[in-house]
Amino acid sequence: EVQLVESGGGLVQPGGSLRLSCSASGFTVSAYDMFWVRQAPGKRLEYVSVIATDGGKTYYADSVKGRFTLSRDNSKNTVYLQMSSLRPEDTAVYFCVKDSGFSFDYWGQGTLVTVSS
Amino acid sequence: DVVMTQSPLSLPVTLGQPASISCRSSQSLVHFDGNTYLNWFQQRPGQSPRRLIYKISIRDSGVPDRFSGSGSGTDFTLKISRVEAEDVGVYFCMQATHWPRTFGQGTKVEIK
Repeated sequence: EVQLVESGGGLVQPGGSLRLSCSASGFTVSAYDMFWVRQAPGKRLEYVSVIATDGGKTYYADSVKGRFTLSRDNSKNTVYLQMSSLRPEDTAVYFCVKDSGFSFDYWGQGTLVTVSS
Repeated sequence: DVVMTQSPLSLPVTLGQPASISCRSSQSLVHFDGNTYLNWFQQRPGQSPRRLIYKISIRDSGVPDRFSGSGSGTDFTLKISRVEAEDVGVYFCMQATHWPRTFGQGTKVEIK
């Protein structure tokens, strides 16, 4: 059974950092593109970042480029989203999502990140 | 980015009655490979999103056949033939034809 379990969310001050983890089971993360998608309060879902199967290349939304870093630990079957220089507008529920070729077939439960002083 | 516009945003429905949700894109979702990568997801209260339909009309395994997807180009529809209590939640569309993937605002389905 495929499962994605996110952790690492919490309250952080503006300018601070957090690292989100997404632990996968039931499949191998390196064999699929893995995405992070977020939903700010009252807003629609928004693509944040993806780590591709192709050599682990990473891509980012313009809104997070230069501040967020996505990585993968194949030995732990886990994906990490390192977030720095956090802003209040980064406040959202962050979902880890497995790609299935032009679609998302499994989502984690989400982890809440709140950026506030 | 492709803008996905859903309507209505709120949909009160009587149990056993049909429901229909529209999703329109700001540009055609036909990929150069000929496929149209339009997905529908359901998010029940307190749960993660669950994919219902991909490539406009292909239902995922385990999805009841009362859910159906249709449309083409820029205009798509999710229909529930007879709403059941377990269908309460938010439904959203997502396009994966163009980069980046983008989502509709979500439609909240509730029982009258």
